[in-house]
Amino acid sequence: GNSVTQMEGPVTLSEEAFLTINCTYTATGYPSLFWYVQYPGEGLQLLLKATKADDKGSNKGFEATYRKETTSFHLEKGSVQVSDSAVYFCALSASGGSYIPTFGRGTSLIVHP
Amino acid sequence: KAGVTQTPRYLIKTRGQQVTLSCSPISGHRSVSWYQQTPGQGLQFLFEYFSETQRNKGNFPGRFSGRQFSNSRSEMNVSTLELGDSALYLCASSLTGKGDYEQYFGPGTRLTVT
Repeated sequence: GNSVTQMEGPVTLSEEAFLTINCTYTATGYPSLFWYVQYPGEGLQLLLKATKADDKGSNKGFEATYRKETTSFHLEKGSVQVSDSAVYFCALSASGGSYIPTFGRGTSLIVHP
Repeated sequence: KAGVTQTPRYLIKTRGQQVTLSCSPISGHRSVSWYQQTPGQGLQFLFEYFSETQRNKGNFPGRFSGRQFSNSRSEMNVSTLELGDSALYLCASSLTGKGDYEQYFGPGTRLTVT
């Protein structure tokens, strides 16, 4: 079946540090890939997405590239801010069969001033 | 365009009781999914409704049920509550639930079972 594996957190960084959160997946076919963010006390929000190999999704300074050869979709940001502190979820939606998305366990990011 | 709304935002119930949670999707969205989020299990899929029909179901006991109305609004019901049902219940809507399946989440209902 489909699965998503994220690096375990929490990830703790100082403001303006470089961020990488690793995400790898297992899926049949050609899934679409997503990063969602959940701020404290809120639901999930779509951060970025990529729908085919080599696509780069980007939003609010965050980027992730769909790497089919390594089945990865790592999230990066060049300079994090305190306001980026949240839980980040990697997810995939398979192209065939059930379209129910599969989510990773989430990675907590804590950014200190 | 208004986002996904969920009511109530917080609930405290006693073991053995039942509870009904409500979700109003984004206007025009026909697919509504429900998730249970807990610190231990993460985000777990409960079920998905599309055009008033349950289209997909996760691995939860029959105490968890749902329905969708003709206006796409959805409710989920949990009967005979157990302590382990304490969680954040999230509702998400999307246009059709297919294709690249971008979901829009509500703020959730925090259920505490005592």
